[in-house]
Amino acid sequence: GAGVSQSPSNKVTEKGKDVELRCDPISGHTALYWYRQSLGQGLEFLIYFQGNSAPDKSGLPSDRFSAERTGGSVSTLTIQRTQQEDSAVYLCASSLVGSGSYEQYFGPGTRLTVT
Amino acid sequence: AQSVTQPDIHITVSEGASLELRCNYSYGATPYLFWYVQSPGQGLQLLLKYFSGDTLVQGIKGFEAEFKRSQSSFNLRKPSVHWSDAAEYFCAVVAYKLSFGAGTTVTVRA
Repeated sequence: GAGVSQSPSNKVTEKGKDVELRCDPISGHTALYWYRQSLGQGLEFLIYFQGNSAPDKSGLPSDRFSAERTGGSVSTLTIQRTQQEDSAVYLCASSLVGSGSYEQYFGPGTRLTVT
Repeated sequence: AQSVTQPDIHITVSEGASLELRCNYSYGATPYLFWYVQSPGQGLQLLLKYFSGDTLVQGIKGFEAEFKRSQSSFNLRKPSVHWSDAAEYFCAVVAYKLSFGAGTTVTVRA
């Protein structure tokens, strides 16, 4: 079946602009995660959605970052007023349920470059 | 809080030689541990995972890892590396969110 998909694959934006990154999880997966991979910070957790529960936003680096998940499926990560330090690969993952025993399947990522 | 340490940033190994990547974790309960591989320009692929039971786990591509609670370690091994094993390897521990180590880049020389 289809895996996790993300769009766009690459995004170049000017500093100060807003960007939206999209994630389509595997059908039926109730848990969805966003991670960020950057040269300075490595792989870091951003936000986690599990079913209809309130999301865990503990990893979001600033209030310029937000995410939503509509209908328990597609998720959008929004970065407002982008800064150069936001340049990174943004990875989305999904799992059947949000428990550590369930494998997280990763999408190919969106490479964001802020100029 | 959970955390993972990968002491080796970069390892160079000859093709056909054995490989061991170190991983130490910090977690208050029985951990769920993972090794992921990321080839250049590719996404993260799960190599193997440990949840419970046998402390030696087998993964894909000929990799194995051993969980040692007394040492808080989950080291990854491969008896004979192939050039295609050149990649970045991440150890991770999870409660629900994955906490990754900084990664170890493996270079394979012919």
